[in-house]
Amino acid sequence: EAGVAQSPRYKIIEKRQSVAFWCNPISGHATLYWYQQILGQGPKLLIQFQNNGVVDDSQLPKDRFSAERLKGVDSTLKIQPAKLEDSAVYLCASSLELGPTDTQYFGPGTRLTVL
Amino acid sequence: KQEVTQIPAALSVPEGENLVLNCSFTDSAIYNLQWFRQDPGKGLTSLLLIQSSQREQTSGRLNASLDKSSGRSTLYIAASQPGDSATYLCAVSPWAQKLVFGQGTRLTINP
Repeated sequence: EAGVAQSPRYKIIEKRQSVAFWCNPISGHATLYWYQQILGQGPKLLIQFQNNGVVDDSQLPKDRFSAERLKGVDSTLKIQPAKLEDSAVYLCASSLELGPTDTQYFGPGTRLTVL
Repeated sequence: KQEVTQIPAALSVPEGENLVLNCSFTDSAIYNLQWFRQDPGKGLTSLLLIQSSQREQTSGRLNASLDKSSGRSTLYIAASQPGDSATYLCAVSPWAQKLVFGQGTRLTINP
């Protein structure tokens, strides 16, 4: 089966610009996650969707970050305006459901550099 | 607040050696613990998942143990190979599908 797809793979922008990332989860997966991974650190959950509803967005900087999952399939994550500290890899993951044994499958990530 | 720590941050060993990666967590109230592998430019791949009621899981040359009471887990890799070179991440689930990651151990296996 096809894995989690993300685009673009790389993005370079200047601070105060806006940027958007796209994620297509594995077909049939109800749960979708966006993580931020800063160099040298583990991934940090930004937002979690169950179908098209938000389950957890407690660590999403809502003054500049937004995310949506229209129709419960694809998702976009937007940053506006970007700051230098937003430079990171943004990972999308999906899982079948919210069960404790449901494995999360990760996409390759989008590497964002903010200059 | 759950915190996960992995030591060492980097490890380099010759091919063929057995090795142990360490993970510690501050809150023993967890659903499960997972070990992931991350290759450069790629996403994470789940290697082993240990339920909170289990003590260990094995897959091929990998064995992961869990001691909830002491807040520790280890990943044992037997007969290491150059293809095992990657970053290994430990993550605990305070509740279903919430993952809290450590910072990872970058492993290099030298031929």
